[in-house]
Amino acid sequence: GAVVSQHPSWVICKSGTSVKIECRSLDFQATTMFWYRQFPKQSLMLMATSNEGSKATYEQGVEKDKFLINHASLTLSTLTVTSAHPEDSSFYICSARGDTDTGELFFGEGSRLTVL
Amino acid sequence: GQNIDQPTEMTATEGAIVQINCTYQTSGFNGLFWYQQHAGEAPTFLSYNVLDGLEEKGRFSSFLSRSKGYSYLLLKELQMKDSASYLCAVMDSNYQLIWGAGTKLIIKP
Repeated sequence: GAVVSQHPSWVICKSGTSVKIECRSLDFQATTMFWYRQFPKQSLMLMATSNEGSKATYEQGVEKDKFLINHASLTLSTLTVTSAHPEDSSFYICSARGDTDTGELFFGEGSRLTVL
Repeated sequence: GQNIDQPTEMTATEGAIVQINCTYQTSGFNGLFWYQQHAGEAPTFLSYNVLDGLEEKGRFSSFLSRSKGYSYLLLKELQMKDSASYLCAVMDSNYQLIWGAGTKLIIKP
C-alpha cells in the first residue's frame, strides 16, 4: 500500500514558539492531503484540506492564521502551528488519498505536540 | 446534520467474537470505512464497503446495509493485540469523510 511519512513524531516546545510538522507521500503523488487533530479519547477532527499549489480549505472554527498549511509539491504538505499555546497540545495526523479505486486514506504516523 | 453513531466502549474475551455497530446519517453516501487505531498511533485501514452485504477479510468482516444506514465490523478469534479503537467513517456526497467517535475495544484474557 501507499506510504505516508510524518515528522516529527514527538515535539515539545515552549509557549509562544512555532512548530512545523511535515507530511510526505513516499511512493505516490498526493494532490490532496488532510490534516487532523485528535484530543485524548476523542475521534479525529478534520482541520483542513491541503491542495497542491493552492490555498488550504479550513474547517469551521480552525484559525487559518494560526495553523499555516503549505502544500508546495505533490509529495509534501506542512502544518505550522504558530505561537503555540498549551491548549494546542494534541495529536496531529496527516493523511492522503491513494490512487486506489476505493479512495482509501493512508495516514502518517502522527505527531504528538506538547506545549509547555 | 451529519451523524455517525457507534458505541463508546466494548469488552470481549480473547478467542471470542465481537460485533461493533455503526449507524449513520449523512448527506449522500460514497462508501463506509472501518479503521483500527491503537493508542498513540495513527489509524490503519481495515475495510471499505460501498455495496450492501458482507465483506470478509481474514478474521475481520464488515457488513453494510445502505437502506438502514447501518454497518458492523465483526472480529473473530479475538487476540489481545485487537485491543484498540475502531473508527467508522462515511464518505458523503462531496467525498468528504465523516468520522464516528470510535469504539474502544478491550480484550480480556
